[in-house]
Amino acid sequence: EVQLVESGGGLVKPGGSLRLSCAGSGLRFSDFYMTWVRQAPGKGLEWVGRIKSQVDAETTDYATPVKGRFILSRDDSKSTVYLQMDSLQVEDTGVYYCTTGPGLQSYWGQGTLVAVS
Amino acid sequence: SYVLTQPPSMSVAPGTTATITCGGDDLRLKSVHWNQQKPGQAPVLVVYDNRDRPSGIPERFSGSKSGNTATLTISWVEAGDEADYYCQVWDRASNHVVFGGGTKLTVL
Repeated sequence: EVQLVESGGGLVKPGGSLRLSCAGSGLRFSDFYMTWVRQAPGKGLEWVGRIKSQVDAETTDYATPVKGRFILSRDDSKSTVYLQMDSLQVEDTGVYYCTTGPGLQSYWGQGTLVAVS
Repeated sequence: SYVLTQPPSMSVAPGTTATITCGGDDLRLKSVHWNQQKPGQAPVLVVYDNRDRPSGIPERFSGSKSGNTATLTISWVEAGDEADYYCQVWDRASNHVVFGGGTKLTVL
């Protein structure tokens, strides 16, 4: 069974930092581009960023609101992708999901809650 | 920035067909994906690349596109289909993923 499990969320003060992790199992993790999506309370889905596979140089792209504050990285030996979040703002509050993105095989984690207050 | 427009909500009776639209400039040139999110749950992809279904998604879910409007069609709607549905594209101009605002489907 394929699983993506996010961790690292919590309560942090404005200006603080958190590092989220997304650990995959049951899939060839290294083959996938990995994406983070967040959802503010009662709101819709918002793309955060994406990291490509090693084959594609682990290139990263970020949404405008987080560019310069968030950094994506991955460790395929641990089947894990990381989201380092610095200079957190109240507007960053929400549930953060990791996903493999659209395709024949598409997976989402259950999310981890980040509260900035 | 690129914008995808969806109706905020719609209601259908069980056993009927739900059609959810998603519009955007030059959408005809982009691949559209659809995600379903039931209350309190993580999203699930139900259609990718305009009309293809991921493994495990029932044939009742289908996608299509005409011009700059994409459509998610759910046939023989069931109570369990009640959810928020989000369309999604990759915008090459900005190197960003863009989500529509979501459509809340209520099954009467």
